[in-house]
Amino acid sequence: QLLLLESGPGLVRPSETLSLTCSVSGASISSTTYYWVWVRQPPGKGLEWIASIYYGGNSYYNPSLKSRVTMSVDTSKNQFSLKVTSVTAADTAVYYCASEGYSGYDGAFDFWGLGTLVSVSS
Amino acid sequence: QSALTQPASVSGSPGQSITISCTGTSSDVGGYNYVAWYQQHPGKAPKLMIYDVSNRPSGVSDRFSGSKSGNTASLTISGLQAEDEADYYCSSYTTTSTYVFGSGTKVIVL
Repeated sequence: QLLLLESGPGLVRPSETLSLTCSVSGASISSTTYYWVWVRQPPGKGLEWIASIYYGGNSYYNPSLKSRVTMSVDTSKNQFSLKVTSVTAADTAVYYCASEGYSGYDGAFDFWGLGTLVSVSS
Repeated sequence: QSALTQPASVSGSPGQSITISCTGTSSDVGGYNYVAWYQQHPGKAPKLMIYDVSNRPSGVSDRFSGSKSGNTASLTISGLQAEDEADYYCSSYTTTSTYVFGSGTKVIVL
């Protein structure tokens, strides 16, 4: 069973960089069979896809965030991470990490972490 | 990229069937069968309910079904139960190798 757990600071100051990590258990982060994904949800609002990464291959970003977002994989820790630069209050959200295709369901996010709330405030 | 269009809320009585629509364009919903549906209860992570337009993951009730016609996908919940009250989101792969979610629909069980 795949388990995902997000970690990171709960509070980030405006204009700084938000950094989050997703720890993966039950699967190898270096598998080339599925993607790793970040999704966020501002309080009281809907889901927004942020980015996906395929180990050893391409990464894909939401066009509206692409200039500020970087996703990477750390095989030594079996983790993947997200960095969002120059944050504003609009980046306040619950951030979820997820997998795409782990169960063989291409194009769908089949396992999700519990989510972590990140607030942007001075 | 703009969010896919879903009704803000849909309601029904226990035992009834309801349908939630998800309208996109030929660049997303209409162009691919990578349409998925997620259920989200308050304070919880989303749960995959339908993938590839109409397939159910293992463990998901057969009361949930999906379909697509043109640029609009639909999720139908049959035999509505109190536990089905939640927010539902559709998602679709797009021509730019990205994903887009729907605006979300609150299902209310009367």
